Amino acid sequence: EVQLVESGGGLVQPGGSLRLSCAASGFTFSRYWMHWVRQAPGKGLVWISRINSDGISPAYADSVKGRFTVSRDNAKNTLYLQMNSLRADDTAVYYCARDGYGGANWFDPWGQGTLVTVSS
Amino acid sequence: DIQMTQSPSTLSASVGDRVTITCRASQSIRTWLAWYQQTPGKAPKVLIYDASSLDTGVPSRFSGSGSGTEFTLTISSLQPDDFATYYCQQYNSYPTFGQGTKVEIK
Repeated sequence: EVQLVESGGGLVQPGGSLRLSCAASGFTFSRYWMHWVRQAPGKGLVWISRINSDGISPAYADSVKGRFTVSRDNAKNTLYLQMNSLRADDTAVYYCARDGYGGANWFDPWGQGTLVTVSS
Repeated sequence: DIQMTQSPSTLSASVGDRVTITCRASQSIRTWLAWYQQTPGKAPKVLIYDASSLDTGVPSRFSGSGSGTEFTLTISSLQPDDFATYYCQQYNSYPTFGQGTKVEIK
């Protein structure tokens, strides 16, 4: 069974940092592009980052560019999101998601999400 | 960024109803469109990709159509599990989502 499990969320003060992890199992992780998508409380879905299968070509939404860094460890089947200079509007559930196929940029499946709350 | 606009924002329907949700793109996205279903407290789940391809395991009452800038998701006969929020998402360029359509019980 394909499974994605996020961890690392929590409460952080504005300006602080947090690193999210996404542990993958049930598929050959190194063959797939991976994504991060977030959802603020009661709001819609927003794509924020992707990384290709070998980790060389990350991409970011403008809202997080320069503050967030996506990476992966294919030996550990794990995706990461380093979040720096966090702001209140970064408060959201963060989902990792596998790419549909070959860099198609649709998402299947998704992890269960991890909540990040930025507040003093 | 390509803007995605869904209509309606909320839809009230009964079990057995035929339901149609529309998604419009601010520019042509060919058929690079996916549809997702999300129930409260859960992660989204893909239903349709490439505008009309049904994902594995998705019931055949769901169908997608369209190309260019206008797309539809149709549920042929609404079931109790289908009361949820639905999102369209384009992937012609960096991914963007519609604002969502909540399907609620009439």
